[in-house]
Amino acid sequence: DGGITQSPKYLFRKEGQNVTLSCEQNLNHDAMYWYRQDPGQGLRLIYYSQIVNDFQKGDIAEGYSVSREKKESFPLTVTSAQKNPTAFYLCASSRTRGTEAFFGQGTRLTVV
Amino acid sequence: QQQVKQSPQSLIVQKGGISIINCAYENTAFDYFPWYQQFPGKGPALLIAIRPDVSEKKEGRFTISFNKSAKQFSLHIMDSQPGDSATYFCAASRETSGSRLTFGEGTQLTVNP
Repeated sequence: DGGITQSPKYLFRKEGQNVTLSCEQNLNHDAMYWYRQDPGQGLRLIYYSQIVNDFQKGDIAEGYSVSREKKESFPLTVTSAQKNPTAFYLCASSRTRGTEAFFGQGTRLTVV
Repeated sequence: QQQVKQSPQSLIVQKGGISIINCAYENTAFDYFPWYQQFPGKGPALLIAIRPDVSEKKEGRFTISFNKSAKQFSLHIMDSQPGDSATYFCAASRETSGSRLTFGEGTQLTVNP
């Protein structure tokens, strides 16, 4: 089945540690996105990539980093510089222009 | 800067009633307006979308109404069912930016049996 796979579903980390969230898609989409979801705030764009080896900051990129070495993969690293990392993280993909974005099932990150 | 404002934050309706959720946008360059449905612990899924060349789009019990001059659009759910209980997000994007979606804050809908 085609889709987007995020792993793990739940992740716990100690404060000060970097953590990497995985996102893989087999939809042959060029564009991939990372969103952060907090209660009452909707989804906010962290980073996006429209082509391999290229990515742009979204609205809340501080404290996060990404890479896009393969079309299918777009991992997100939450660094120790992110002041409030506990959140629900959603990865999405789409064809490049104005079309439906498909979302993964999310990773809930809790930093203690 | 919040470019898409959504209301209400929460909504309770009775089974068989009409659920109405409203959104307003600021950026006149937006040309794609989807609505997403999200169940707890899951990723959002596209419900219905509209482009500004039409004023209304209907798919089954779900209808989007679009008012370009007022920069507003709304989702109507007819004959609401308990299975419709979920969080609904409106969004907007410019086609030239791909699916770089700007989301509203979300509406938590509860449909009582």
